[in-house]
Amino acid sequence: QKEVEQNSGPLSVPEGAIASLNCTYSDRGSQSFFWYRQYSGKSPELIMFIYSNGDKEDGRFTAQLNKASQYVSLLIRDSQPSDSATYLCAVEGSARQLTFGSGTQLTVLP
Amino acid sequence: NAGVTQTPKFRILKIGQSMTLQCTQDMNHNYMYWYRQDPGMGLKLIYYSVGAGITDKGEVPNGYNVSRSTTEDFPLRLELAAPSQTSVYFCASSLGLAETQYFGPGTRLLVL
Repeated sequence: QKEVEQNSGPLSVPEGAIASLNCTYSDRGSQSFFWYRQYSGKSPELIMFIYSNGDKEDGRFTAQLNKASQYVSLLIRDSQPSDSATYLCAVEGSARQLTFGSGTQLTVLP
Repeated sequence: NAGVTQTPKFRILKIGQSMTLQCTQDMNHNYMYWYRQDPGMGLKLIYYSVGAGITDKGEVPNGYNVSRSTTEDFPLRLELAAPSQTSVYFCASSLGLAETQYFGPGTRLLVL
């Protein structure tokens, strides 16, 4: 079983819709969770981090964490074509290093 | 404040050649990392450092070496390049472990 799993996609949503990205992880001891956005040919950039169960909102982005079910999700409201990118989930793992999922490719259609 | 910088941006190596990928950060971060990213895949940790003079292996260290003589610099050395090392290499830094990592622009390496 992979330590961090994401649906590879591609996920397509129309402009203005809500995009939902999901990530599951295997290490029950993980405490820190991150969502990175990576445009094609570019480096990952942080969107949000979350440490506590529940929701955390930042503008159009909401991260949701459920440690009991070992999943973390990212919701993007009012999706824009500029949101089209690959979204990487990163979870604190062994030796407190981050383990990255393989990413979900999101396309927002105008 | 340049953040994390990497050189070169792109390099072609022949099998068996060696090279050093440079990484520098100006954020005074103690923690630095090297990742590789293969097409369509996530990031795999090669090596990391928790401070000057201290380095440790990550998930995929074979074929690579690192050193950390200063807080700012964390070069990655490839010895005897192999086609399997064709990838994009990212350097990152963070203030602490399991904290937000800031990435450099990456080095695209092709081994032929």
